[in-house]
Amino acid sequence: GNSVTQMEGPVTLSEEAFLTINCTYTATGYPSLFWYVQYPGEGLQLLLKATKADDKGSNKGFEATYRKETTSFHLEKGSVQVSDSAVYFCALSRGGSSNYKLTFGKGTLLTVNP
Amino acid sequence: DADVTQTPRNRITKTGKRIMLECSQTKGHDRMYWYRQDPGLGLRLIYYSFDVKDINKGEISDGYSVSRQAQAKFSLSLESAIPNQTALYFCATSDASGTQETQYFGPGTRLLVL
Repeated sequence: GNSVTQMEGPVTLSEEAFLTINCTYTATGYPSLFWYVQYPGEGLQLLLKATKADDKGSNKGFEATYRKETTSFHLEKGSVQVSDSAVYFCALSRGGSSNYKLTFGKGTLLTVNP
Repeated sequence: DADVTQTPRNRITKTGKRIMLECSQTKGHDRMYWYRQDPGLGLRLIYYSFDVKDINKGEISDGYSVSRQAQAKFSLSLESAIPNQTALYFCATSDASGTQETQYFGPGTRLLVL
């Protein structure tokens, strides 16, 4: 079946540090890949996505590249801010007739200190 | 105004009680979903609905039921609440246009079953 594995947190960084959150997946076919972010007390919101191999998703200074050869979709940001403190979820959607179904990783808590 | 709203935002109930969580959306999407979030487990799908007459079980539907009263409304019921249903519950919506969907989440309902 489909699965998503992301690095366990919590991750604590100082402001302006470089961020990487690793995500690897197992899926049949050609899934789409997503990063969702959950700020404290809020629901999840889409951060970025990529729908095919070698695509790069980007938003708010975050980037992730769909690597089919390594089945990975690592999230990166060059300089984090305190306002980036949140839980980050990697997810995949299988596409085709099952494109409704999102499979989530367990989430990674990021805390950025001033 | 928020596109996806959930009521109540917080609820405390006792074992054996019946409760209902409600979700409304103004995005005009056909597809709606209920998830639960538990610490360290990510999000798991309880039920999903592709339209008013199409309701399907997700991976953890036991102990839950749903009702799709209209395109914009999707309710989740716990017929007889038990403590291990204590969790954060999210409603989400998506449309089926395009090949890969983005899901839009409500702010969540925090449920405590005593």
